[in-house]
Amino acid sequence: DQQVKQNSPSLSVQEGRISILNCDYTNSMFDYFLWYKKYPAEGPTFLISISSIKDKNEDGRFTVFLNKSAKHLSLHIVPSQPGDSAVYFCAAIGSGSARQLTFGSGTQLTVLP
Amino acid sequence: EADIYQTPRYLVIGTGKKITLECSQTMGHDKMYWYQQDPGMELHLIHYSYGVNSTEKGDLSSESTVSRIRTEHFPLTLESARPSHTSQYLCASSARQGGGTEAFFGQGTRLTVV
Repeated sequence: DQQVKQNSPSLSVQEGRISILNCDYTNSMFDYFLWYKKYPAEGPTFLISISSIKDKNEDGRFTVFLNKSAKHLSLHIVPSQPGDSAVYFCAAIGSGSARQLTFGSGTQLTVLP
Repeated sequence: EADIYQTPRYLVIGTGKKITLECSQTMGHDKMYWYQQDPGMELHLIHYSYGVNSTEKGDLSSESTVSRIRTEHFPLTLESARPSHTSQYLCASSARQGGGTEAFFGQGTRLTVV
């Protein structure tokens, strides 16, 4: 059973607009969440993370929001640029049954010029 | 920039051959991981290690084996490659036992078994 879920396999956004990528998790032992960006035939690269003690973390154009009660997090990219086109993976890690870094299935973001 | 390296980047090999995918990191990280990913699919954890002489299987069953004799080295071996092993293999490492730090990935090995 998937513990980290990204229900949208793809998303298309116009350049300059906001991209919102969503992620849900089921294991309450997760306490640290990460977003990775991946190009084909490359390894994922770390983008931004958030600890469960926070509800928002911002880094330039990227902001991650965490709603612990809903077990939901989202990545906002503003403004979106064509170079942001990639697969975005949500990941989570914690302790006990959640001690491995667990990934979602990814969302292909396409930013249209 | 992350200091984790995988070799080879690409490998085409015949059925039945034994192969070892190399992964090394120079960051002194305790935790290391191997993930398998097919195009458009999620990353599946196949092996992980918390430190030297510690290895465990991940969520996805795999016929591969791993070893962790040195902190910096986490090779993955397939004793007899099959076409079903064709995939991308990604190695990662992270610094602490729990959360609080990101995992760094290598560039990946694209394996094709013919």
